[in-house]
Amino acid sequence: SAVISQKPSRDICQRGTSLTIQCQVDSQVTMMFWYRQQPGQSLTLIATANQGSEATYESGFVIDKFPISRPNLTFSTLTVSNMSPEDSSIYLCSPTTGLTEAFFGQGTRLTVV
Amino acid sequence: GQQVMQIPQYQHVQEGEDFTTYCNSSTTLSNIQWYKQRPGGHPVFLIQLVKSGEVKKQKRLTFQFGEAKKNSSLHITATQTTDVGTYFCAGLLIQGAQKLVFGQGTRLTINP
Repeated sequence: SAVISQKPSRDICQRGTSLTIQCQVDSQVTMMFWYRQQPGQSLTLIATANQGSEATYESGFVIDKFPISRPNLTFSTLTVSNMSPEDSSIYLCSPTTGLTEAFFGQGTRLTVV
Repeated sequence: GQQVMQIPQYQHVQEGEDFTTYCNSSTTLSNIQWYKQRPGGHPVFLIQLVKSGEVKKQKRLTFQFGEAKKNSSLHITATQTTDVGTYFCAGLLIQGAQKLVFGQGTRLTINP
């Protein structure tokens, strides 16, 4: 399986600011999924990012709030913009070359104060 | 939208007791996958079921996929403290966007 490096692992941020989360993979992957996991909850897909095209966002998530970059097949970023306490969650990247199984980054535990 | 329902939400057992979690989808799935998330960790892939009626075993864990490919179960025999965590099923839809839909998860705690 691919080695996935997600940074930062955790952060405490002031409301109104933005945080960019990075996901680096040691091999080329077709798709990059970004999930949010609120405390004690399941994983909710935010968006799917393919290289060279705009990310596809799920219902309830918009590009202005969660801009995503995918400059190449090994790297992606998710930005949480204009944060509020409701954005406090774990954010997970999940790179994939297919749909046989999902691998996840270690997660970014975000607390907005 | 498409949902995968998972029950129970929580389960507390004595060490040595069995444990089962169930998933149900309103529509037919291409496959179903199971993940385990330890407290403070990220989800880790356990297994994938693809065929109708498929049954797979991993040591004390038994996974089943229903005949209609709409439901699945994970059964753990004789739980151990290392089994603690949250177990998620995730269904891959047959039609539409290729993405996993996660169940709500079952959080398993064990009394040693």
